[in-house]
Amino acid sequence: DTGVSQNPRHKITKRGQNVTFRCDPISEHNRLYWYRQTLGQGPEFLTYFQNEAQLEKSRLLSDRFSAERPKGSFSTLEIQRTEQGDSAMYLCASSISGHTDTQYFGPGTRLTVL
Amino acid sequence: AQSVSQHNHHVILSEAASLELGCNYSYGGTVNLFWYVQYPGQHLQLLLKYFSGDPLVKGIKGFEAEFIKSKFSFNLRKPSVQWRDTAEYFCAVNPFGQNFVFGPGTRLSVLP
Repeated sequence: DTGVSQNPRHKITKRGQNVTFRCDPISEHNRLYWYRQTLGQGPEFLTYFQNEAQLEKSRLLSDRFSAERPKGSFSTLEIQRTEQGDSAMYLCASSISGHTDTQYFGPGTRLTVL
Repeated sequence: AQSVSQHNHHVILSEAASLELGCNYSYGGTVNLFWYVQYPGQHLQLLLKYFSGDPLVKGIKGFEAEFIKSKFSFNLRKPSVQWRDTAEYFCAVNPFGQNFVFGPGTRLSVLP
């Protein structure tokens, strides 16, 4: 089953360090989404791509966050100068664009900032 | 801004009890509606979805949900829960042409 995959699954870093996460979507899906989920909350939208174009960014996505999807396939999410408040689960989802858009989620990357 | 509320933070049931989890949203236009489940240690999985047509939607594992447009609700139901239904359940709304908005989740604990 070639679902959405994310790497790494866990990341522990010290405050001030940069981290990068990778997401590989389902192969035929042209949309890719990033979410952040903290304990006791539902996923919060961060940004999404349609093919290689980044179409929307949430206000949650400060200038320390950047996401890319250079060839319209996998995507990376980078956080620069990490802060303790960045500790969360970062989820990736993919879908096929259309009015019946259904998102399929990966396992997430759990980030802990010490 | 659109929002999704889920009535219960934590629900505890015994096996074979009936389940209803509430979900309400604030958006007046056309919406797509979803329930996702997250079992302990696993990723979010789609339980069921509503786009149009019959407002009573059947999903996997015996779950169903009813869309009541006048109440802006999409409640999840199961007639008889099992221990393996212990999980966190998230309602999500996708206003047409816009991004998904998730509710805060309801944690379901089923006692054997």
